[in-house]
Parts: sequence; C-alpha cells; structure tokens
Amino acid sequence: DAGVTQSPTHLIKTRGQQVTLRCSPKSGHDTVSWYQQALGQGPQFIFQYYEEEERQRGNFPDRFSGHQFPNYSSELNVNALLLGDSALYLCASGPLGYNSPLHFGNGTRLTVT
Amino acid sequence: GDSVTQMEGPVTLSEEAFLTINCTYTATGYPSLFWYVQYPGEGLQLLLKATKADDKGSNKGFEATYRKETTSFHLEKGSVQVSDSAVYFCALSPGGTSYGKLTFGQGTILTVHP
Repeated sequence: DAGVTQSPTHLIKTRGQQVTLRCSPKSGHDTVSWYQQALGQGPQFIFQYYEEEERQRGNFPDRFSGHQFPNYSSELNVNALLLGDSALYLCASGPLGYNSPLHFGNGTRLTVT
Repeated sequence: GDSVTQMEGPVTLSEEAFLTINCTYTATGYPSLFWYVQYPGEGLQLLLKATKADDKGSNKGFEATYRKETTSFHLEKGSVQVSDSAVYFCALSPGGTSYGKLTFGQGTILTVHP
C-alpha cells in the first residue's frame, strides 16, 4: 500500500518564477494538507483541501494556491517566488475526522536562487 | 492563537539512557496532541497521540500523557537506542472542524551515541 507520494523530490527555481508541486494521498484518504518546513523549524500549515475545495488556510499570502482533483491528488502552486520560499514542502493526507492522524510524504525540497 | 513550545535541543544521550522531551501548548477548546518523528531525508511519521485529558499515548517504548492542568505533553522513553536518533515534533490539532491543521513545535534533535 503506497503511502503519500510527492513529486519532484528536489527543485531549483529562480526568484520571480512559478512552481507546481504534486501530491498523491495515501489510498483511502480524501483530504490533503500542505505544509512549509523551513530549515531547522517545525512545519507551518499552508492549507487543506477536501472535496476539491480549500477548506482551511494558514497565514500564507495569495501567491500560494492549490488544487485538488477528483482522484484526491493535489497540487501546490507558488507564484512570484521569493528567496524566503526556499523550504521543504510537505503534503499530508488523512480521512476526514479531527482525531485521525495525518500521514506525511517525504516532501519536495524547493531552493529559490 | 494556538502554539506549541518544545524544549530546546539538541539532546545528546548515550544508549540505554532515559529520555524526556518537554512540550507545552496553548490552545482554546480541547485539542488533540501528537508526537511526530522525522528521520533524515524523510517526512514526518506519527509516533503517538492523545485525544483527551489524562490519555496516555504510547508506541515503540515512547510514552506521553495529556496533562490539561499543566498544558503539557512530555515525551519519555526509558531506554533509548541509536536508532531513535531523529528530530521529534510535538503538535496539536484543534477540536471541532479544524481538521488537517496541525500546529507544530520547533522540533528537538535527538542524537543517541553507542
């Protein structure tokens, strides 16, 4: 049973460019959340998707946007990249329910130069 | 807003030593509490959880008790192994409909020497 898979594993972009990161949730999971983890810090919640809609959003600017597809997979888009967007981006999935733990992918390491 | 504070690391121990990593939280309502572990180059793995006051979560020899009176969820293990070397994160999930939105502490790096 495949867990949460993310692609690509590493990415290098230039300031001002746009990037798309992809996530496939664990089988049986219908919610996807995205987190940004800066070096040496804990993950910060970006947003959560359920039934193809953004349900909750953390304190991130509109440059960060997402999408969920009918097969529950998801994309994270970041426009007008800044140097400060360099981080590990983690996708997490789970069944709906606040006591259900999230399952995390291994992340996409984004470097902005 | 919600917040989680972990003891500052890094923590360095010898094999078979006792481990405590402190975690305190601030939240409204009745959050669920979690410990996640991150091995080098990997994502986060759930270690244990507790969903209400006085619950004890346990897994792989690790334990943590949800203490509402002290707003704490300290992680303990009686005898650590080299394979326990990793980064440990305390996290909370608010109650109600705020599912999927975990608030994490800053993480504690644990290194265990043979």
